[in-house]
Amino acid sequence: DIQMTQSPSSLSASVGDRVTITCRASQSISSYLNWYQLKPGKAPKLLLYAASSLQSGVPSRFSGSGSGADFALTISSLQPEDFATYFCQQSYSSPWTFGQGTKLEI
Amino acid sequence: QVHLVQSGAAVKKPGASVKVSCKVSGYTLSELPMHWVRQAPGKGLEWMGGFDPDDGETMYAQIFHGRLTLTEDTSTDTAYMELTSLRSEDTAIYFCASSLDGSAIDSWGQGTLVTVSS
Repeated sequence: DIQMTQSPSSLSASVGDRVTITCRASQSISSYLNWYQLKPGKAPKLLLYAASSLQSGVPSRFSGSGSGADFALTISSLQPEDFATYFCQQSYSSPWTFGQGTKLEI
Repeated sequence: QVHLVQSGAAVKKPGASVKVSCKVSGYTLSELPMHWVRQAPGKGLEWMGGFDPDDGETMYAQIFHGRLTLTEDTSTDTAYMELTSLRSEDTAIYFCASSLDGSAIDSWGQGTLVTVSS
């Protein structure tokens, strides 16, 4: 199975900050990397797919980069509604696997 | 737009089975590769299984060791997740989800809490 490792596990930031979360795969996954946002009591929300493509309706302050085994999610200017947990996920091969999550806190 | 509505919460005893349903609307089930993901309390997301359109088969995460069965009823556009031999570690919110492009999960059900407790 492909292991996905995110860092950091948690991150303290303030409104207006620029933050970056990284995700590393245990092998090359080309660009089969997706990012999700999870808030308590809600279903996950797809933010970015294929490493850098913004899902419809997602604000442009979210961006993704990377290919191969190293990826990053950047939020250019944090808004109050962005404080949540973020997960990367690979769909290069079955079983699909998620990173352990990065909790973004004030 | 895909809309997924799951069955309600369930409480089960260890060793029992649970079957969660997921009603699809907006698309037909045959158009949608379906997946199931769970989140245990205080834990991250765990992919359980789903349809691989490249192989035309349903794939399962090995950790379920044959306890998991995913089925579909195309006549009612309803997907099902059945997990047997439940243990306390299976207590989690279970999500059905779909992937229009086959590689990213773009629609999610509201989640079903399954509690396993004696």
